[in-house]
Amino acid sequence: QVQLVQSGAKEAKPGASVTVSCNVSGYTFTTYYIHWVRQAPGQGLEWMGWINPNRGATKVAQKFQGRVTMIRDTSLTTAYMEVSRLTSDDTAVYYCARSVYQVQLDYWGQGTLVTVSS
Amino acid sequence: QSVLTQPPSASGTPGQRVTISCSGSSSNIATNAVNWYQQLPGTAPKLLIYRNNQRPSGVPDRFSGSKSGTTASLAISGLQPEDEADYYCAAWDDSLTGQGLFGGGTKLTVL
Repeated sequence: QVQLVQSGAKEAKPGASVTVSCNVSGYTFTTYYIHWVRQAPGQGLEWMGWINPNRGATKVAQKFQGRVTMIRDTSLTTAYMEVSRLTSDDTAVYYCARSVYQVQLDYWGQGTLVTVSS
Repeated sequence: QSVLTQPPSASGTPGQRVTISCSGSSSNIATNAVNWYQQLPGTAPKLLIYRNNQRPSGVPDRFSGSKSGTTASLAISGLQPEDEADYYCAAWDDSLTGQGLFGGGTKLTVL
């Protein structure tokens, strides 16, 4: 069965960076794009970007350009997203999700809580 | 503030029909597929409707989607207590360099 399993909760200080991983199984990793979506406490969903695991190409939302990096390791069938220069506004649950087409996201990871606090 | 606009809340009694709207523009809803997600408290979103009006396997036919111009709608008929959740629309936006968009979400309360 298709599964996306994310890394555990993380704490980071303002100005630091954090990396969230997303290990997939149950399908061919390079066949579907992986999207990243975040949700601040009590807030809605916010699209952050995607990575094409086949070629490694990425598209990052304009808001996050220069601060978010997406990579993948095909041998580990894992996608990673790094967010740098963290502020308290980056405190959120970060989700990875498999994309069938555009933002048709059919399988999601369980989410990773990132807390930014001094 | 989301570019896709949803009402923040909706409500209905068991058995009723409820509709949630999602208003966008010519660069997103009018030209791209709309998807709907259901999010229960403390869980990851679940794909409910894709490509405007298609239901994934396992989603009851009480849920239906439609689109006209720059507005999409999610309808839930025969409302049940377990339908109480947050609902989000999502679509690709072709403006600038292109990006994904989510609506602000609608909290559905079953009275």
